[in-house]
Amino acid sequence: QVQLVESGGGVVQPGTSLRLTCAASGLMFNTFPIHWVRQAPGKGLQWVAVISHDGSNENYADSMRGRFTISRDNSEKTVYLHITGLGADDTAVYYCAGNDTLSFWGQGTLVTVSS
Amino acid sequence: SVLTQPPSVSAAPGQKVSISCAGSNSDIGGQFVSWFQQVPGTAPKLIIYDNTQRPSGIPDRFSASKSGTSATLEITGLQTGDEADYYCATWDFDLSGGLFGGGTRLTVL
Repeated sequence: QVQLVESGGGVVQPGTSLRLTCAASGLMFNTFPIHWVRQAPGKGLQWVAVISHDGSNENYADSMRGRFTISRDNSEKTVYLHITGLGADDTAVYYCAGNDTLSFWGQGTLVTVSS
Repeated sequence: SVLTQPPSVSAAPGQKVSISCAGSNSDIGGQFVSWFQQVPGTAPKLIIYDNTQRPSGIPDRFSASKSGTSATLEITGLQTGDEADYYCATWDFDLSGGLFGGGTRLTVL
């Protein structure tokens, strides 16, 4: 059983950068992809990005490409999401989810972009 | 959202409800569909994957199907605990990215 825990959220100024962390516990972390999904307050789920099990491939939602970077360190059982040029519309709960089917999720970390 | 769901559905306890998810040839038409349940304030939970499969622990009151560019989630024997938002999801082949439907709020009257 794998558990995911997100961290790194908080209140940040517009235009700044942020790195979110998704830490895993359990076995076989390096065998499955990890996705990031976000949810703005009162809104639906929005897929952000995915990284392959070994970190060799990444894909991003079109609207995220350029400002978002996903990476992973399998030795640390951690996936990162680096976001630059934060704007108000990036305010959301950011979840990481594991596996091709997004079968397990973390509890989310809230990012609030506000001056 | 590219995947279209009704904003809300409702039914009485014990009844059946269906939630539709409409897509296109570049997404649902050629990819597997998943369904997620999200109780407000909590993380989403996978309840259907690969169009029709239930993860372990998901009761068989939850079932789903796919036909062409649309998918449907069906919940029978509704319980008050089923009140939640439900999202369909799939992969867009052209964009190489994941897609979620806009979500459907289920109210058990």
